[in-house]
Amino acid sequence: DTGVSQDPRHKITKRGQNVTFRCDPISEHNRLYWYRQTLGQGPEFLTYFQNEAQLEKSRLLSDRFSAERPKGSFSTLEIQRTEQGDSAMYLCASSALWTDNSPLHFGNGTRLTVT
Amino acid sequence: QQQVKQSPQSLIVQKGGIPIINCAYENTAFDYFPWYQQFPGKGPALLIAIRPDVSEKKEGRFTISFNKSAKQFSLHIMDSQPGDSATYFCAAKYNFNKFYFGSGTKLNVKP
Repeated sequence: DTGVSQDPRHKITKRGQNVTFRCDPISEHNRLYWYRQTLGQGPEFLTYFQNEAQLEKSRLLSDRFSAERPKGSFSTLEIQRTEQGDSAMYLCASSALWTDNSPLHFGNGTRLTVT
Repeated sequence: QQQVKQSPQSLIVQKGGIPIINCAYENTAFDYFPWYQQFPGKGPALLIAIRPDVSEKKEGRFTISFNKSAKQFSLHIMDSQPGDSATYFCAAKYNFNKFYFGSGTKLNVKP
């Protein structure tokens, strides 16, 4: 169990640029989540995958955001035409499918700064 | 509307003290209540979790007390240490995969 890994750890970009983040979940976990965390707040749900299917998206996820999980393994989160309000920590988490009360296992996040 | 309300926002205790962090919820469909610990620059890490059919759960120095009728639950940290200084988040889950987090409590344990 190597844990959830996220890449990059930090990303600084100029407003209007596109950025892409990657998440590698714990290998046997079928469920994958993306959360956003701003300073002084708890994680806010963005989207959820079960295997390769994206089953739910938050209203927070505007049309500029897209997430994929090809082949049900790693996932990518892309933000197009970044805005300063997109600056946040983007957290990926995974959990097991075979139990109802499987906790979320988080990665260490990608901190995005939009200048 | 915040699904899980957490208090206090920050807490300072002396080493050996027992900080208590409280959370309240309204949605009776919640069926799993984990607590997470987060250090700066790191993702949240699961600390301890409880189901609503249990009133108390202890793991090491960490205890969750759960009051189903009041729709409240709390985290107690016994014999707190400076290494416990972190931000703590309560959370609640329903419908297999929906997790909602509190706004966090920043704990500072002074030596």
